Amino acid sequence: RKEVEQDPGPFNVPEGATVAFNCTYSNSASQSFFWYRQDCRKEPKLLMSVYSSGNEDGRFTAQLNRASQYISLLIRDSKLSDSATYLCVVNRINKFYFGSGTKLNVKP
Amino acid sequence: GAGVSQSPSNKVTEKGKDVELRCDPISGHTALYWYRQSLGQGLEFLIYFQGNSAPDKSGLPSDRFSAERTGGSVSTLTIQRTQQEDSAVYLCASSSTPLDGQYFGPGTRLLVL
Repeated sequence: RKEVEQDPGPFNVPEGATVAFNCTYSNSASQSFFWYRQDCRKEPKLLMSVYSSGNEDGRFTAQLNRASQYISLLIRDSKLSDSATYLCVVNRINKFYFGSGTKLNVKP
Repeated sequence: GAGVSQSPSNKVTEKGKDVELRCDPISGHTALYWYRQSLGQGLEFLIYFQGNSAPDKSGLPSDRFSAERTGGSVSTLTIQRTQQEDSAVYLCASSSTPLDGQYFGPGTRLLVL
C-alpha cells in the first residue's frame, strides 16, 4: 500500500468555482503534513502546512483528520493561475512521503 | 534570502559517462534530500542527509548512484556509467526541521543519449 494516496484527477473547473482535494496516508505515526503545488516542468513549492485545527491562507483552507488519516485542501474562488498539480506530503522520522499529485485545470 | 540552488540546470551526456550534480541548500538547513522525477511521473526518493551523514540511502536505484555531503552544506550526487533510463529531473530539497516542510531547488534536467 502506498504511503500517500491521491486522486490523480484531472479536476476541470471554471474560474470562480470552489474545488476540494483529498488524500489519505497509511501510517498513523506520520508527524507533519503539507500541501505542495507543482507547475509543469517546475519544482514543487510549499503551499501550506496542515494542522488538525485546520488552517487558512487566503482562498486556501487545509484540514487534517488524524483519526481517519485524511488530509484535505479547499480552494475557493479558483483563478486561472491555480492550474497546477497539487501534492499531498506527509513526514515521518525526517523523511517526506509524496502523493502522486492531483491535477487541477481552471478554465475561463 | 537565497533558496536552494542546483547546478548544472541542464546536462546532456552520452551513455556510459559519469555525471556529477550539485546542490547548495538553504543556509542553516541541516537536512538535505535528493529526488528524481521522470516526465509525467511522481517524485522518487533517492537519499537523505542529516548533517554529513546519510541515515537513509534506500532510494538509490543501483550502485552506480552515490552521494556525499561535506561541511553540512553542499551535496553532490554522482551517477557512474550513465544509462538512458537515468534521464530525468534530479531535484534537491533542504529542511531545517520536519515541521517546517522542505524547500526545493529548480532541479537538474539530465538527458542521457
